[in-house]
Amino acid sequence: ETGVTQTPRHLVMGMTNKKSLKCEQHLGHNAMYWYKQSAKKPLELMFVYSLEERVENNSVPSRFSPECPNSSHLFLHLHTLQPEDSALYLCASSLSAGNTEAFFGQGTRLTVV
Amino acid sequence: QKEVEQNSGPLSVPEGAIASLNCTYSDRGSQSFFWYRQYSGKSPELIMFIYSNGDKEDGRFTAQLNKASQYVSLLIRDSQPSDSATYLCAAPAYSGAGSYQLTFGKGTKLSVIP
Repeated sequence: ETGVTQTPRHLVMGMTNKKSLKCEQHLGHNAMYWYKQSAKKPLELMFVYSLEERVENNSVPSRFSPECPNSSHLFLHLHTLQPEDSALYLCASSLSAGNTEAFFGQGTRLTVV
Repeated sequence: QKEVEQNSGPLSVPEGAIASLNCTYSDRGSQSFFWYRQYSGKSPELIMFIYSNGDKEDGRFTAQLNKASQYVSLLIRDSQPSDSATYLCAAPAYSGAGSYQLTFGKGTKLSVIP
């Protein structure tokens, strides 16, 4: 248990569905992240929030929409996804953005059908 | 593009041997380096970090950093089957406007053979 909790752990959704992934951290960290991990690919950083402000958006398609209402919670809203978006989505947090160790949640295994 | 490079493996070692995992990075400004272990189907967990040139030991794990050559390595002594996992190297890379991005390598898959 790293102090970063993600729900749901598994999600199957159709291409026309709308769903949201939730992440919560209890570590008092100021930065939170969404990563995507596809098979045989490195971890891909999607979004970075520092003190609830988005500081990085690595050219992620608009069908992924993040929300950070406070420093402890992070959401990833999903709509009209494609089958190639099927992956493990990992949330992480760190004391400050990018230059300290990140602690990961257990991930959400997403399958788009 | 700031990169972190690792040999994807698989690296196979017999039980009890030393496993050596290597990583190179391109951003000379990187000051801290992290090793994560990821079991199949699980999320990455931090096992070591190193900031200074030289060696850092923690139990069976030793991280080695050479900033001049821009490489960092992880040695696992007395390897156990439970060490079988993918090991990810990570380093912060400056991404502009005063912000850093923790950049991960592709990971090296380690198999420890009983």
